[in-house]
Amino acid sequence: RKEVEQDPGPFNVPEGATVAFNCTYSNSASQSFFWYRQDCRKEPKLLMSVYSSGNEDGRFTAQLNRASQYISLLIRDSKLSDSATYLCVVNIILTGGGNKLTFGTGTQLKVEL
Amino acid sequence: GAGVSQSPRYKVAKRGQDVALRCDPISGHVSLFWYQQALGQGPEFLTYFQNEAQLDKSGLPSDRFFAERPEGSVSTLKIQRTQQEDSAVYLCASSLEGGVRQPQHFGDGTRLSIL
Repeated sequence: RKEVEQDPGPFNVPEGATVAFNCTYSNSASQSFFWYRQDCRKEPKLLMSVYSSGNEDGRFTAQLNRASQYISLLIRDSKLSDSATYLCVVNIILTGGGNKLTFGTGTQLKVEL
Repeated sequence: GAGVSQSPRYKVAKRGQDVALRCDPISGHVSLFWYQQALGQGPEFLTYFQNEAQLDKSGLPSDRFFAERPEGSVSTLKIQRTQQEDSAVYLCASSLEGGVRQPQHFGDGTRLSIL
C-alpha cells in the first residue's frame, strides 16, 4: 500500500464547476501536509499548506482530518488554467534529522470549455 | 537566478555509462533534497542534505547512486553504470531550513533517458 493514496483521475469538468480531490495517508507520524500542483513536463509547485483548522486561498480550500488521516482540496469556479496534476504531499521527519516529502501519484484535472 | 537551477535539462546516455546531474539551490537555503519521478508517478525521495552533511540517503535505489554537496551549496547526483530503469526525471528541491513546515522549492528537473 502506498503511503499517500490519491485517485489518479482524470477529472474532466466544465469551466466554472466545483471539484474536490481527496487523499489518504498511512503514516500517523506525518507532521505537515501540502498540496502541490504540477503542470505537464514542469516541476511541482507549492499550491498551499493544509491545516487541521482548514484554510482557504481564493478559490482553493484545503482541509486536514488527522484522526481519519484524510486530506482534501476543493476548487471552486474552476478555470481552464487550473488544468494540471494535483499532488497530495505529507512531510515526515527523518530519523537522522530533517524531513522528506512523500507524494501521492497525483490527480489529473482537465477543465474544459 | 531566484529559483532552484538544475542542469542539464535533458540527458540521454547509453546503458552502462555514468552520468552526473547538477543542482544549484536557492541562495542561502540550508536543506537540499533529491527526488526521482517516474512517468505517471509522484516524485520519490532519494536523499537529503543539511548544508554539506548528507543526513539521509535511504531513498537511493542502489549503490550505483551517489550524491554529494561538498561546500553546502551546489549538489551533484551521480549514477554509475546506468540501467534502463534509471530513466526518469530527477528533481532537486531546497528549503530555507530543515523545519518540517518549511516548503520545498523545486527545480525544473533533469529528464534522464537511458538507451
